[in-house]
Amino acid sequence: EAGVVQSPRYKIIEKKQPVAFWCNPISGHNTLYWYRQNLGQGPELLIRYENEEAVDDSQLPKDRFSAERLKGVDSTLKIQPAELGDSAVYLCASSSRTSGSYEQYFGPGTRLTVT
Amino acid sequence: SQKIEQNSEALNIQEGKTATLTCNYTNYSPAYLQWYRQDPGRGPVFLLLIRENEKEKRKERLKVTFDTTLKQSLFHITASQPADSATYLCALVLSYNTDKLIFGTGTRLQVFP
Repeated sequence: EAGVVQSPRYKIIEKKQPVAFWCNPISGHNTLYWYRQNLGQGPELLIRYENEEAVDDSQLPKDRFSAERLKGVDSTLKIQPAELGDSAVYLCASSSRTSGSYEQYFGPGTRLTVT
Repeated sequence: SQKIEQNSEALNIQEGKTATLTCNYTNYSPAYLQWYRQDPGRGPVFLLLIRENEKEKRKERLKVTFDTTLKQSLFHITASQPADSATYLCALVLSYNTDKLIFGTGTRLQVFP
């Protein structure tokens, strides 16, 4: 079974530039999450999707961050414009409650460096 | 304020010994707690889940305890191996109606031969 796929793995941009991250969850997983992980910290939830619907985006800085999950499968997280403080690893995860499991499956993450 | 605290300093132990990692939380009442392992450059990987009404959970060389009175979970790795070296994260979930994980900062474990 393929895991959660993310791309790109690394991205370096200058501040004020836009950037986008892509995530393909595990097949059949209806719940998708985007997390941000700063160095030396645990992941922090940015947004959670149930199928196409964003059910928890309370932690998403909506002035510059946006996300979408078309057709309830792949998802894209965008930052525009990026700031120096956005440098972090952006993790995508997916899960399936229908399997009776509460575990989340994480992708390898995208390491963003804003200069 | 709400906090989840894990040892910020790395834990260094000798191969074969038992590693014990601590997760303390303040001003949360979690329904369950999860432990994840994270290797450098990788995403976290699920290890164990323990519910609020469970005192202990085991899986192979891993054991987790959950004390809701002390607001603490302990994570044990028995007969530790160098391959167990990684960062271990605890995560709280506040209710069964949400999948929202609230992570601690993680503890880096180094097992040396």
